[in-house]
Amino acid sequence: SQKIEQNSEALNIQEGKTATLTCNYTNYSPAYLQWYRQDPGRGPVFLLLIRENEKEKRKERLKVTFDTTLKQSLFHITASQPADSATYLCALNYGGSQGNLIFGKGTKLSVKP
Amino acid sequence: ETGVTQTPRHLVMGMTNKKSLKCEQHLGHNAMYWYKQSAKKPLELMFVYNFKEQTENNSVPSRFSPECPNSSHLFLHLHTLQPEDSALYLCASSHNRETDTQYFGPGTRLTVL
Repeated sequence: SQKIEQNSEALNIQEGKTATLTCNYTNYSPAYLQWYRQDPGRGPVFLLLIRENEKEKRKERLKVTFDTTLKQSLFHITASQPADSATYLCALNYGGSQGNLIFGKGTKLSVKP
Repeated sequence: ETGVTQTPRHLVMGMTNKKSLKCEQHLGHNAMYWYKQSAKKPLELMFVYNFKEQTENNSVPSRFSPECPNSSHLFLHLHTLQPEDSALYLCASSHNRETDTQYFGPGTRLTVL
């Protein structure tokens, strides 16, 4: 069965630095990959989606890359701020009748002032 | 807010109780989902409804019983639960079953004594 690994359970960085979170998967590549943000006691909130034929996607200070050769997605937050502190979830979707989202365990990001 | 509401936000119940979780979405979506989120584990998909029809039951014990009376409302009926069922229960919706993005509610924090 498909496995997703978000390498770090927790990541601590200094304000202003770039945070880089990793999502690796096994087996065949998904149709697309999504990143969600989850704050304590809240549901996940969608951030970015990248399709298998796309290399990179950007939204304001966020950037996602998708490397089907490495079977990996990287999620970057540039000029990080304490308000970016949250758990970030990676999710894969194979589309069509296999349209379930498969989530990773998440990486808890802490940005220190 | 994401347009998906859940009630109650917190619930404590004994193993012999019967309770229900409610989810409502105001987004005009056709697919709705129940997820379970336990500490240190990824989100686990429990049930999927598409146009009010259940399309997926992910080997969930019968003590969890979903109900979808219309495309805007989703219930999860609980009875004779076990302490290991304590978790955050999240409802989500999407435009349709194959749509990219899911919108999550804030969740119900369930504690089974």
